Amino acid sequence: DVKVTQSSRYLVKRTGEKVFLECVQDMDHENMFWYRQDPGLGLRLIYFSYDVKMKEKGDIPEGYSVSREKKERFSLILESASTNQTSMYLCASSFWATLEEQYFGPGTRLTVT
Amino acid sequence: KNEVEQSPQNLTAQEGEFITINCSYSVGISALHWLQQHPGGGIVSLFMLSSGKKKHGRLIATINIQEKHSSLHITASHPRDSAVYICAVSLSYNTDKLIFGTGTRLQVFP
Repeated sequence: DVKVTQSSRYLVKRTGEKVFLECVQDMDHENMFWYRQDPGLGLRLIYFSYDVKMKEKGDIPEGYSVSREKKERFSLILESASTNQTSMYLCASSFWATLEEQYFGPGTRLTVT
Repeated sequence: KNEVEQSPQNLTAQEGEFITINCSYSVGISALHWLQQHPGGGIVSLFMLSSGKKKHGRLIATINIQEKHSSLHITASHPRDSAVYICAVSLSYNTDKLIFGTGTRLQVFP
């Protein structure tokens, strides 16, 4: 069974705090992704990584950074959390080959107060 | 205008009804995905298709590449089918990037 796990299901942080969201996959996937999901907007890609230490900006990278030091782990960092970053955050991974499915983690619901 | 449009946004049904959810897209794609998201957030990939039709149990997904349209059908619906169904497309020039529809919220009542 493919497993994509995220460090927390629910998280409450204060404005200005530094927030780390971690994602781990056990399928030796090359690609990993961070999305946020908001009502009426669907899922939007924040950043993705196609290899260790490699990253590319997605559609909404502002206010976020990422880290991929090991193949199985992809971290999303909010340097200074703001209330408009309150959202559901979903991590996904996929093989390098094209037309491959993305496997999603369970999501982290982040509330910034 | 969104590049991936789903309809309807919300759908309620009685147990046993046949359900259809539609997805239209305006970009060149290499594949289309149907995803299911249960309350609590976890997403499961149901289908990935680039042509024709796929069936898995009571779920059927079809795609018409010429018309840029896909449908997800649920036969003999059940309350446990209640979820958000999301259509997403892989772009033909960047197959690792997905563009998502906003989802269809389905509620099936006993």
